[in-house]
Amino acid sequence: SAVISQKPSRDICQRGTSLTIQCQVDSQVTMMFWYRQQPGQSLTLIATANQGSEATYESGFVIDKFPISRPNLTFSTLTVSNMSPEDSSIYLCSVRQGAANQPQHFGDGTRLSIL
Amino acid sequence: LAKTTQPISMDSYEGQEVNITCSHNNIATNDYITWYQQFPSQGPRFIIQGYKTKVTNEVASLFIPADRKSSTLSLPRVSLSDTAVYYCLVGDMVPSNYQLIWGAGTKLIIKP
Repeated sequence: SAVISQKPSRDICQRGTSLTIQCQVDSQVTMMFWYRQQPGQSLTLIATANQGSEATYESGFVIDKFPISRPNLTFSTLTVSNMSPEDSSIYLCSVRQGAANQPQHFGDGTRLSIL
Repeated sequence: LAKTTQPISMDSYEGQEVNITCSHNNIATNDYITWYQQFPSQGPRFIIQGYKTKVTNEVASLFIPADRKSSTLSLPRVSLSDTAVYYCLVGDMVPSNYQLIWGAGTKLIIKP
């Protein structure tokens, strides 16, 4: 399966600032996704990162708060904008290769704490 | 959207076989069933996926009855390192209608 690298692995940020998280894959992938996982909780899909076009956001998530880029088939970024303590969470990148019935594979996430 | 129900937690002992059952009563025709394992401070790791009957790989087996309203992940001869959270997912993998809901997962604790 693809090797997925996320940067940074963790960060502590001030309220009101923004942070961009990078996701790099070692091979071209069909789909890339961004998830949020609050401590001790399950995963919530934020959006699907579409190559060459605007991301597709899930209910409750908007582009102004979580802008996403995907310039090519191996790289995507998620920005958490104007952060507040409620944004403290783990942010995970996942990818899917090939056919539609293939499973997703995940990076190890970015642990974000907002002071 | 097909939602899943799993036990919140389970305990077992090293060397035992562990079966975790997931209920998905409103699974749709196009839905696959996928199981993931997650250790603390790591992303979920794919374990196994199936559509019907039985699927087996080097780490687990997945049993799916004919009505597909439930599935059972079977871990043979568990070890302490199998302590993790296990997620059952049901979803339509078609890109144009991509939807996945992650349930609460099952926290599996293996004791020596």
